Amino acid sequence: GAGVSQSPRYKVAKRGQDVALRCDPISGHVSLFWYQQALGQGPEFLTYFQNEAQLDKSGLPSDRFFAERPEGSVSTLKIQRTQQEDSAVYLCASSSGFLDGEQFFGPGTRLTVL
Amino acid sequence: DAKTTQPTSMDCAEGRAANLPCNHSTISGNEYVYWYRQIHSQGPQYIIHGLKNNETNEMASLIITEDRKSSTLILPHATLRDTAVYYCIVALDYKLSFGAGTTVTVRA
Repeated sequence: GAGVSQSPRYKVAKRGQDVALRCDPISGHVSLFWYQQALGQGPEFLTYFQNEAQLDKSGLPSDRFFAERPEGSVSTLKIQRTQQEDSAVYLCASSSGFLDGEQFFGPGTRLTVL
Repeated sequence: DAKTTQPTSMDCAEGRAANLPCNHSTISGNEYVYWYRQIHSQGPQYIIHGLKNNETNEMASLIITEDRKSSTLILPHATLRDTAVYYCIVALDYKLSFGAGTTVTVRA
């Protein structure tokens, strides 16, 4: 079946622009996660949704980062007024469980801020 | 969450077993040990997880010591496609902390 998909796969933004990254989780998965992966490092947790509720946003680095999942399926990660330090791969994952278990990752969106 | 320590890199021969060690001496009683891997330019892929008992699935085996302070991931017959960064993660719930992982290179 279809896995987690993300779009766009690559995004180049000028510093100060706003960007929106989309995640389509596996159908029926209640849990959705966003991670940020800087070059040469492991992914770092950003935020967690259970259906449409954002239960944990402790990893969001600043108030310029905003995530939503209004209907409990597709999610969007928005970054306002992008900075060069926002350059990274943004990974989305989904899970059928509520709090733990296997997370299925998408291929990521590589964001480059010039 | 407890932290883990893994070797930075390791090589193994194609067709041989690959044994990947991980230390997690500060693990608490209800934290799981997860293993994920990430092949270049792809998202991480779940391999296996366990709490106390050894676990085996179609991809790998996970051996956890009795005191739970360390574990070993075993890839029984490594192939070139197993070349990846392998992450050992200790987690109570959904919040996975990946660390730097072990870069495993399988050589023909």
